[in-house]
Amino acid sequence: NAGVTQTPKFRVLKTGQSMTLLCAQDMNHEYMYWYRQDPGMGLRLIHYSVGEGTTAKGEVPDGYNVSRLKKQNFLLGLESAAPSQTSVYFCASSLQEMNTEAFFGQGTRLTVV
Amino acid sequence: AQSVAQPEDQVNVAEGNPLTVKCTYSVSGNPYLFWYVQYPNRGLQFLLKYITGDNLVKGSYGFEAEFNKSQTSFHLKKPSALVSDSALYFCAVRDRATDSWGKLQFGAGTQVVVTP
Repeated sequence: NAGVTQTPKFRVLKTGQSMTLLCAQDMNHEYMYWYRQDPGMGLRLIHYSVGEGTTAKGEVPDGYNVSRLKKQNFLLGLESAAPSQTSVYFCASSLQEMNTEAFFGQGTRLTVV
Repeated sequence: AQSVAQPEDQVNVAEGNPLTVKCTYSVSGNPYLFWYVQYPNRGLQFLLKYITGDNLVKGSYGFEAEFNKSQTSFHLKKPSALVSDSALYFCAVRDRATDSWGKLQFGAGTQVVVTP
């Protein structure tokens, strides 16, 4: 049981390049989340999804797009990377009951130069 | 809108002393509250949660948290801290009555440093 797996674990991008971060979960969870973690800022919610085919904006959605075509996968896209998007990105998932805890991936460290 | 505040960037405590990490929240309805811990270069790990019922919740590794509705707080506590408890701690909330169904929002985190 792998839980929540993020791909890749590390990446360096040049300004203006695009990339997609993949999150996969094997727990049949309905809810999935993308967060970014920056020093002193905690975890900020970028986008989230409450089910296959649905997505919603979080606190800091600008510059990112997401897709949830399959229940087990939640993709985070950067169309034109900027240095301000240098961060550690975490994916999480949970059951659809609001009282259940979320499970986190190990994170993706992204540097935009 | 829901929000979470962790007023302390860092908490320093000597090993064996009680540890408290503060969290306050704001929701329009009733909250579901969670505590997570993050060790260096790792993802977040779930510690405990408040759903309903008893205001004192017990969790992993000897941690507990007290829900106080009137003060809108959910402080994390441990009676006797260990050096291995040194980590980054996050409080999180879901609002039961919300138009942002399923949204899970975190605080800024509190770094706990336990000295021998």
